[in-house]
Amino acid sequence: SAVISQKPSRDICQRGTSLTIQCQVDSQVTMMFWYRQQPGQSLTLIATANQGSEATYESGFVIDKFPISRPNLTFSTLTVSNMSPEDSSIYLCSVFKATEAFFGQGTRLTVV
Amino acid sequence: GNSVTQMEGPVTLSEEAFLTINCTYTATGYPSLFWYVQYPGEGLQLLLKATKADDKGSNKGFEATYRKETTSFHLEKGSVQVSDSAVYFCALEVLNRDDKIIFGKGTRLHILP
Repeated sequence: SAVISQKPSRDICQRGTSLTIQCQVDSQVTMMFWYRQQPGQSLTLIATANQGSEATYESGFVIDKFPISRPNLTFSTLTVSNMSPEDSSIYLCSVFKATEAFFGQGTRLTVV
Repeated sequence: GNSVTQMEGPVTLSEEAFLTINCTYTATGYPSLFWYVQYPGEGLQLLLKATKADDKGSNKGFEATYRKETTSFHLEKGSVQVSDSAVYFCALEVLNRDDKIIFGKGTRLHILP
């Protein structure tokens, strides 16, 4: 199994500012995943973060808006940059362990 | 491409009723299929999974059978409880170079006492 600590759990931010979300895993993993869950929508994969290389972004997401760091095998950060109200969502990090996905508690972001 | 379609909610049932939440998928290759559950105020957690055709996943009274011929993975429970109220996500994973999970939109389930 894997235990994921994600913080902050929630935040209210002014438009135009940036927020960095941290994700700490209790064991080493190759890939970490960042998702967004907008109200009433499914989870959408933002990017895959591999240690030692640049993150791979899904269609519709770009590095300038969602820069990701992966300095080691247990930690990653996602930054939501130049925020607008449309960025209000729950952001989740996730890892795979033996074909099972584990999720952080999520970061509920409200942009005002 | 890979995708998951599940029935829209909310679904409202009385306690002890029979539950079915439909899920169908499209995938290249041979996916593994999952149901995840999100209880109020908690993170997502795996409910059950099936990794090949005709496999049946089960947990907490829930069951789902991997039907390749109908590309379905419907979630069922014979007698639901109030504590089953949650959002349920159907998902698939295709193991390839870009290993990742694709989720359905989720189905909110309300169980009335």
